[in-house]
Amino acid sequence: AIRMTQSPSSFSASTGDRVTITCRASQGIASYLAWYQQKPGKAPKLLIHTASTLQSGVPSRFSGSGSGTDFALTISRLQAEDFATYYCQQFYDYPPTFGQGTKVEIK
Amino acid sequence: EVQLLESGGGLVQPGGSLRLSCAASGFTFSNYGMSWVRQAPGKGLEWVSGITGSGGSTYYADSVEGRFTFSRDNSKNTLYLQMNSLRAEDTAVYYCAKRVASEVFDYWGQGTLVTVSS
Repeated sequence: AIRMTQSPSSFSASTGDRVTITCRASQGIASYLAWYQQKPGKAPKLLIHTASTLQSGVPSRFSGSGSGTDFALTISRLQAEDFATYYCQQFYDYPPTFGQGTKVEIK
Repeated sequence: EVQLLESGGGLVQPGGSLRLSCAASGFTFSNYGMSWVRQAPGKGLEWVSGITGSGGSTYYADSVEGRFTFSRDNSKNTLYLQMNSLRAEDTAVYYCAKRVASEVFDYWGQGTLVTVSS
């Protein structure tokens, strides 16, 4: 199975900050990557698919980049509602696999 | 509005069985592949199984292959996950999810908790 590794695992930030989460695949996955946001006790929410395509209804402060093995999720100006855990997921091959998650906490 | 509502979770002993259901509404059910994704307490997300819109093809994680069976009834807009030979490591919240493309999930249910313990 393709292994997805996110970094960092957690960090603290302030509202208004620009933050970037990275995701590395153990082999090339072209642009077959999605990003999800999950808040405590809630189901994940799709933010971005195909590495950089913003899902309908997701604020434009979220953006995705990368291809091959290295990817990034950037939040341009962190808002209070963005404090959550973020997961990357590859859908290049079965089984689809997720990163371990990155928790964004309030500083 | 797309809605997915899971049911059937609960406490079961190791080696036991459980059947989860997921009732879907708000979209043309038979047009979309669907999947189950689980999350152990305090842990990350793990894809469990996927099924095509017709139900003709199913896919499983190695960890559940041979023990879980994913099916759907398009006349009832409902998914089923039959889970047999349950193990402690199957303890998790199980989410059903609608696939927007390949194994990308644009809508998720609220989840149902399965606890495998004696």
